Parts: sequence; structure tokens; C-alpha cells
Amino acid sequence: GQNIDQPTEMTATEGAIVQINCTYQTSGFNGLFWYQQHAGEAPTFLSYNVLDGLEEKGRFSSFLSRSKGYSYLLLKELQMKDSASYLCAVRDGDYKLSFGAGTTVTVRA
Amino acid sequence: ETGVTQTPRHLVMGMTNKKSLKCEQHLGHNAMYWYKQSAKKPLELMFVYNFKEQTENNSVPSRFSPECPNSSHLFLHLHTLQPEDSALYLCASSQERDGSYEQYFGPGTRLTVT
Repeated sequence: GQNIDQPTEMTATEGAIVQINCTYQTSGFNGLFWYQQHAGEAPTFLSYNVLDGLEEKGRFSSFLSRSKGYSYLLLKELQMKDSASYLCAVRDGDYKLSFGAGTTVTVRA
Repeated sequence: ETGVTQTPRHLVMGMTNKKSLKCEQHLGHNAMYWYKQSAKKPLELMFVYNFKEQTENNSVPSRFSPECPNSSHLFLHLHTLQPEDSALYLCASSQERDGSYEQYFGPGTRLTVT
């Protein structure tokens, strides 16, 4: 089966930086996604990595190392609105995404 | 309407009821998905449709029956459900082409089985 691990919860202060790690062991790999999900809302796309390295998009960056089966999502200059669940997902076949259980990030003033 | 819409947003049903969830995507995508999201668990892929053809059935019990009449609409028919089926049911769509596999999610239907 697919195995995608990420921490359950993280807490950080407004203005700080938080790094959410994701490790995966899957039968196939065609890219890794990060989604943000606010309570009671739909997941929304944040980033997609298919090659090794860092992808930067404003305050959010995502890193991938395929040889290590590892990714992280970096959230900089945290804002209260960043309090949400962050989902790591691996595209492991045509049309298939396998998700981790999500990391709940709480931003405190 | 834009994006992916789902109705109803909330549903309470008894174990002997029959109900249907509806999903519509307004993005011109060719693939649609049903996911189940339970508390503290990963999203579970249930069904995948590509150009109206079912390409994935992830060992889902037969009390869940999907229907995809066209590439914009997806239904999930429910009958004789169990309390453990209570969850958030999310619909998603994507346009499968090189370099772009992002899935767009609807707001979900919060289902409670009593």
C-alpha cells in the first residue's frame, strides 16, 4: 500500500516560519502536491513538485527530494489566515492521488 | 457558477434511506473523482471517471453507486448506509495533460448516517 507521513499538528507564532515535512513510500511517483484546507472548506491547491529542488511561490515554498522520498512545505511570514490543515499528496498513477492525513497548523498572535 | 459545486452541503439520513449526492464542474475538465474524508484520516479515493468512463473503483462497498452521465456531472447514489459511512464526501475534477494534474475540489457534502 501507499504510505505518506506528515506530522499531525504544528503551532507557530504570527510572523514566524513553519516547515511541514512529508515522507512517502509509494508504488509509483508522478509528482507531489500540497493542498491547504480550512475547516469546513474544500482543499485548495498550493504547489506541485515533480523534479528535485525548491519551488517558491510568494510566502510559500515547496521542496522535493525523490531519492529520499521527502518533501517539505515552508510557510514564511505566517499570518492568522494560514491556520489550516495542510495535505501532502503523491500522484502515484494515472488520475490517482494518495494523501497523507494532513498537518493542522495553528498560528498564534 | 464557477469551479466545482456540490449539493447538498449537509445530509442526514437513516440507514434504510436512499439519497444521492450531486457534483458539477464548470471547468471543462475531463476527469472527475469522489473522495471520502473522515476525521483525522487521509482523504480516501473512492471512484475516478475519465471522459465518463470509470477508471478506478477503490474497493468501495456496493452501497455506494457512482454515476457519470457526462463529463461535467457526477453523482453518488447512497443506499442502506452504515453509521461509519458518516464523513465529508468531496468531489474533484482535473484536466489530465502533461504538466498539469491539479485537482480542483468542491466544498463537500457533510453526511451523517443515523
